[in-house]
Amino acid sequence: DGGITQSPKYLFRKEGQNVTLSCEQNLNHDAMYWYRQDPGQGLRLIYYSQIVNDFQKGDIAEGYSVSREKKESFPLTVTSAQKNPTAFYLCASSPIQGSNQPQHFGDGTRLSIL
Amino acid sequence: KNQVEQSPQSLIILEGKNCTLQCNYTVSPFSNLRWYKQDTGRGPVSLTIMTFSENTKSNGRYTATLDADTKQSSLHITASQLSDSASYICVVRGSMNSGYSTLTFGKGTMLLVSP
Repeated sequence: DGGITQSPKYLFRKEGQNVTLSCEQNLNHDAMYWYRQDPGQGLRLIYYSQIVNDFQKGDIAEGYSVSREKKESFPLTVTSAQKNPTAFYLCASSPIQGSNQPQHFGDGTRLSIL
Repeated sequence: KNQVEQSPQSLIILEGKNCTLQCNYTVSPFSNLRWYKQDTGRGPVSLTIMTFSENTKSNGRYTATLDADTKQSSLHITASQLSDSASYICVVRGSMNSGYSTLTFGKGTMLLVSP
């Protein structure tokens, strides 16, 4: 079945540590996105990518980094510079950015601080 | 500033009853509005999309309405089931900005269907 796979489901970060969240899609979508979801808040865009080897900052990119070396993969690194990383992270994809096609979401990674 | 406001924040209804969720937005210019359902601990799943010219659209027991003049949308759930318990998120697509068509997410309405 086609879809988006995020791993791990749960992740714990120690002080000063970088952690990487995985996102893989087999939908052949060009565009991919990373969102952060906090309790009582709407989803906020961290980074997005429209094609391989290209990505753009979203509304809250500070303390995060991404890469897009393959069409299927869009990993997110939460760096030690992100002082409040505890949140639910959602990866999404769509055929092209800005179309009427829905974004398809993965089932998220919940990141917590040890 | 683009904003999407949803009400109520949370709602409890008995199984089999109907309910209506509201979404007001200030996004301009408007492209489309989409309702998502998000089960606890899962990613959102699209229920329906409303474009400027559409007033009503149904997807099974879900019926969405759009009034583009007053910038309001509603999601009506008929004959609720326990599996309808979830957060319902309203998302509005707005203008192009440096090649990116903006999405503004509401905070969601948490619905609990009680047996």
